[in-house]
Amino acid sequence: AQSVTQLGSHVSVSEGALVLLRCNYSSSVPPYLFWYVQYPNQGLQLLLKYTTGATLVKGINGFEAEFKKSETSFHLTKPSAHMSDAAEYFCAVSKTSYDKVIFGPGTSLSVIP
Amino acid sequence: DSGVTQTPKHLITATGQRVTLRCSPRSGDLSVYWYQQSLDQGLQFLIQYYNGEERAKGNILERFSAQQFPDLHSELNLSSLELGDSALYFCASSPGRTLYEQYFGPGTRLTVT
Repeated sequence: AQSVTQLGSHVSVSEGALVLLRCNYSSSVPPYLFWYVQYPNQGLQLLLKYTTGATLVKGINGFEAEFKKSETSFHLTKPSAHMSDAAEYFCAVSKTSYDKVIFGPGTSLSVIP
Repeated sequence: DSGVTQTPKHLITATGQRVTLRCSPRSGDLSVYWYQQSLDQGLQFLIQYYNGEERAKGNILERFSAQQFPDLHSELNLSSLELGDSALYFCASSPGRTLYEQYFGPGTRLTVT
């Protein structure tokens, strides 16, 4: 069965500092991987996705993630945090494009001025 | 604005009651997904419909049911409500059967008292 773990339920960074949100997955087959963001009182929004091809994926709002098969990881990074990045971030995995998406528990990101 | 609409925004009801949550997908999207988000369970996939047919089932209780109508809107019916059903219920839609990218609605917050 697939599962997703996100290390750190809450992460705080200073404005302008590097953002690193960790995601590890377990899957019996090469997965499809996603990062979603949820701003307060809103639904989830896709940040980026990995399906096949280049393992470094660029998304919206300056975020990117790298698929590392050997480490079963898909960590999300952003070089410089903005106050507007404060939100809940969810890593998700799907076994195939037709399979259900399994979401991780989420990481709440706080940005300190 | 994702283009997915959900009504009502808030719902307060008593234990044992039955409620119906409504979702209108983005124009042109054939797939609708329902999720439950709670503090203790996180984001849980409930069920998916594609063009009126059930395609995938997740952790949906027998007390819950859903359907997708010919105009592609969907309803999630929750019956014999319990305190533990209090949660945020999200609807998402996507263009086809693939789960590549889902567009989430703003959610319906259900409170069972």
